[in-house]
Amino acid sequence: RKEVEQDPGPFNVPEGATVAFNCTYSNSASQSFFWYRQDCRKEPKLLMSVYSSGNEDGRFTAQLNRASQYISLLIRDSKLSDSATYLCVVNTLTGNQFYFGTGTSLTVIP
Amino acid sequence: GAGVSQSPRYKVAKRGQDVALRCDPISGHVSLFWYQQALGQGPEFLTYFQNEAQLDKSGLPSDRFFAERPEGSVSTLKIQRTQQEDSAVYLCASRGTGGNYEQYFGPGTRLTVT
Repeated sequence: RKEVEQDPGPFNVPEGATVAFNCTYSNSASQSFFWYRQDCRKEPKLLMSVYSSGNEDGRFTAQLNRASQYISLLIRDSKLSDSATYLCVVNTLTGNQFYFGTGTSLTVIP
Repeated sequence: GAGVSQSPRYKVAKRGQDVALRCDPISGHVSLFWYQQALGQGPEFLTYFQNEAQLDKSGLPSDRFFAERPEGSVSTLKIQRTQQEDSAVYLCASRGTGGNYEQYFGPGTRLTVT
């Protein structure tokens, strides 16, 4: 079983839509959680960290459910520029190993 | 400021050739990671350095893969006797200290083995 599982999509949504991605992780001892964004043929870049209490950054909201071992990302009012692959990332207790999901592909359509 | 750089950006190797991929992390970053990203997949952890010490190499897929960071800054990932299944993007990331776990990625080296 993979450490981190994501629905690869693709998600095709119209501009202005709200879209949500989920990600599950297998190691209950995982400590840190992140969403990264990766544009086509580019390197991953940190979108936001995910805190236990949930956190929001503009149109983006991240939530963590430790009991069910899943992380979510909600994007409101989608923009064309949001089109990318969104990677869920989980960090182990030691802080050394970062496990990436396969990524969820989002295309925002005009 | 300067980010993480990697070279070459593209490498084509014939099966059986040895290749060396270079990573220049952000100056002062103690931690350095190598990842392998196959097409349509997320990055897979290969190895981790703290300064010059290779603390975790559990992700290296075979003994043909070797990484070093002799002076605690630049790192080299070497793949001996390349195979077609080694074709992937090899990403390097560095991370500072102080509890911020954000990793900064380089642009990657796209390796194609023919």
